[in-house]
Amino acid sequence: GAGVSQSPRYKVAKRGQDVALRCDPISGHVSLFWYQQALGQGPEFLTYFQNEAQLDKSGLPSDRFFAERPEGSVSTLKIQRTQQEDSAVYLCASSLGVAGNTGELFFGEGSRLTVL
Amino acid sequence: EDQVTQSPEALRLQEGESSSLNCSYTVSGLRGLFWYRQDPGKGPEFLFTLYSAGEEKEKERLKATLTKKESFLHITAPKPEDSATYLCAVQVGTGANNLFFGTGTRLTVIP
Repeated sequence: GAGVSQSPRYKVAKRGQDVALRCDPISGHVSLFWYQQALGQGPEFLTYFQNEAQLDKSGLPSDRFFAERPEGSVSTLKIQRTQQEDSAVYLCASSLGVAGNTGELFFGEGSRLTVL
Repeated sequence: EDQVTQSPEALRLQEGESSSLNCSYTVSGLRGLFWYRQDPGKGPEFLFTLYSAGEEKEKERLKATLTKKESFLHITAPKPEDSATYLCAVQVGTGANNLFFGTGTRLTVIP
């Protein structure tokens, strides 16, 4: 497709379950970001990939969060042993250039995670 | 500490009633300021980039302006389809984690 695709759009997990969220960026985009957006807040940075290399993971809230982009295209954000405070919308964004050079990002529609 | 504050939190306008949204910032080393539109259940959609004080950008009924302390998003004769949350973001420094978003202004345009 032409845009950034995320799946699943909605995920309900019981506390303690593991979840995996997928992002398919725009073809050819070098940069891929994951953001977390709580209700009524702006997106907050989680992690960044340049091609397959994870260059910045300073925003990951704990070691329960793990992200990968093994072939430099599709990325997966995994959350282990989910907690209620993990409930949020997880946004994936991509850009053609490398991070730091532009704030023009193309966002997916997000994956809304609810932890019960 | 770097801060981005958007006001008002919510704004209701009659169709055709022009107004402005504000994004004030206190950051060191601003590299750029970005406006995004976010519809309910969707991801943010890029609107404008502003790099220096005095710069203006326009798109249809929207005009973004930038000073050294704040940015305004002016909406002229809005239509119901302009209803959305408008986010501003400041880019500070280099590196990947250099884009900081405000909490947004939720705009409702009533027919």
